[in-house]
Amino acid sequence: QQQVKQSPQSLIVQKGGISIINCAYENTAFDYFPWYQQFPGKGPALLIAIRPDVSEKKEGRFTISFNKSAKQFSLHIMDSQPGDSATYFCAAAHLYGNKLVFGAGTILRVKS
Amino acid sequence: EAGVTQFPSHSVIEKGQTVTLRCDPISGHDNLYWYRRVMGKEIKFLLHFVKESKQDESGMPNNRFLAERTGGTYSTLKVQPAELEDSGVYFCASSGRQGARIYEQYFGPGTRLTVT
Repeated sequence: QQQVKQSPQSLIVQKGGISIINCAYENTAFDYFPWYQQFPGKGPALLIAIRPDVSEKKEGRFTISFNKSAKQFSLHIMDSQPGDSATYFCAAAHLYGNKLVFGAGTILRVKS
Repeated sequence: EAGVTQFPSHSVIEKGQTVTLRCDPISGHDNLYWYRRVMGKEIKFLLHFVKESKQDESGMPNNRFLAERTGGTYSTLKVQPAELEDSGVYFCASSGRQGARIYEQYFGPGTRLTVT
């Protein structure tokens, strides 16, 4: 049973374009939604996170949009750069409940 | 500040053998987690330590897996005997004990385990 569904599996974007990755969750008790970025040979690195009390959070070129009623959240990467090419994971958790539930990951390739 | 470290980075063993993975969390972090990613699938939670105590081991696949965290510092994850389906990347993560961001988990580079 996959509690967090992530799409697409892979994504190719031109340099300067917008990359959009979507996630949907089932457990309404989740109250913490982080995104992780992973480069080959490295571990996942926390990129940006959101709580359900806000609908959007922006940090630099990265924005999370959150729709509580639809139980969906998405990552937008503006002005995508080749250096953004990586695997992106969405996740969900109870804020103080410890374990992260991950999506299956999206392989992003930004073409220069 | 040093990040989460894991050893070895890669291990290849035969079915039936034993392997021990090690994780050193960020200094001062009481929370230590183990996760596993099987090829192409999601990263799955295995267990969570708070200091030396197992807080949640609901994700451990079976009794062939044994995790320890002696003294509340580094942790080991032993697989004995290893099976083919144990192949994957094992990640360790840690999170702090103070402040409002104890829920932020920092991951190590992972150990890639291949069972042949």
